[in-house]
Amino acid sequence: DGGITQSPKYLFRKEGQNVTLSCEQNLNHDAMYWYRQDPGQGLRLIYYSQIVNDFQKGDIAEGYSVSREKKESFPLTVTSAQKNPTAFYLCASRSAGYSNQPQHFGDGTRLSIL
Amino acid sequence: SQQGEEDPQALSIQEGENATMNCSYKTSINNLQWYRQNSGRGLVHLILIRSNEREKHSGRLRVTLDTSKKSSSLLITASRAADTASYFCATHPNGGQNFVFGPGTRLSVLP
Repeated sequence: DGGITQSPKYLFRKEGQNVTLSCEQNLNHDAMYWYRQDPGQGLRLIYYSQIVNDFQKGDIAEGYSVSREKKESFPLTVTSAQKNPTAFYLCASRSAGYSNQPQHFGDGTRLSIL
Repeated sequence: SQQGEEDPQALSIQEGENATMNCSYKTSINNLQWYRQNSGRGLVHLILIRSNEREKHSGRLRVTLDTSKKSSSLLITASRAADTASYFCATHPNGGQNFVFGPGTRLSVLP
């Protein structure tokens, strides 16, 4: 079945370490998104990409980086510059160019500090 | 401040009762969507309502949209324990590229 796969499900980061969260989709969607969710709160947009080799900063991009070398893949790197990385990270995709289309979400990666 | 704000923040009901959640937003929109999130999981799309629509139904779900009041409501009828989850509204602002999510309503359905 088509869907979005995020890995790993749980991730631990040491001080000063960069970590990369994987997001792969086989829905043939052009647009992909990364969100951060803190306990009891809504989703905040980190980065998004409407097309391969292009991406834009969202509302809270500082301390994060992304790449979009392939349509299916949109990895997120949480850098050491992100001082409060503990959160639940969600990846989503959508057919671009159609605002009346829903986003499809992966099952998230929970990142914690060691 | 956030585009979408759900109300109430938390709701606890008995199985079989109806659950109503509200969402208010600030700017004009193309559409509004409702999502459900089970604990520790991703969001699942429930229903989309366009700005020129006033009401939509999907199974036990009923969504209304009042663009003059910039508000929407999600009604879940005959609730079940399996409906226990957080519910989020997401708005797609006119001229915007991305959705804006509210903080969600945590629904608990007690058996």
